[in-house]
Amino acid sequence: QVHLVQSGAEVKKPGASVKVSCKASGYTFTSYTMHWVRQAPGQRLEWMGWINAGNGNTEYSQKLQGRVIITRDTSASTAHMELSSLRSEDTAVYYCVRDAGYSSGWFVFWGQGTLVTVSS
Amino acid sequence: DIQMTQSPSSLSASVGDRVTITCRASQSVVSSVNWYQQKPGKAPNLLIYVASSLQRGVPTRISGSGSGTDFTLTISGLQPEDFATYYCQQSYSTPYTFGQGTKLEIK
Repeated sequence: QVHLVQSGAEVKKPGASVKVSCKASGYTFTSYTMHWVRQAPGQRLEWMGWINAGNGNTEYSQKLQGRVIITRDTSASTAHMELSSLRSEDTAVYYCVRDAGYSSGWFVFWGQGTLVTVSS
Repeated sequence: DIQMTQSPSSLSASVGDRVTITCRASQSVVSSVNWYQQKPGKAPNLLIYVASSLQRGVPTRISGSGSGTDFTLTISGLQPEDFATYYCQQSYSTPYTFGQGTKLEIK
């Protein structure tokens, strides 16, 4: 069965960067697109971007363009999301999400979430 | 960006009731709307994809319909485990966007 296991909670100061990892198992990692979605406290879900785990192609939300980088390590079946120049508004739970296949855009499998707190 | 607007934002109902949640897109998304259930402290769970297809393992009392800009999620015969927050999401074009959520509470 598919499992996505994320790295642990982080506390960062404004202006710093954070890198969240997502280790996948139970399927062929390079055959699916991995997305990152975040949810600030009491807010709606926000799509951040995706990576084609096979060829490494990426697309990012324009709102986060320039601050977010999504990478993958195929040898470790792991995706990473790095967010830089952190602000208080970036405080959120960050999820890695695998879609249904063929870049369907609907999200079947979710990681457990990683809380990132940005505070001075 | 395509805006997704849900109504109502919150809803009180009793076990056994039938409820409907509406989602409106700011432009046509054809049938590219998906619905998720989220419980406190947990990741969302996919219920419906492409407007009306039931995700494997989701009870048949949950259904979806709609096309173009207007979509609905219906839960018939509410069960205690159905009390949660529901989100619609469009997968027509990036950036994929979500509705603001509908919190379904026990009356």
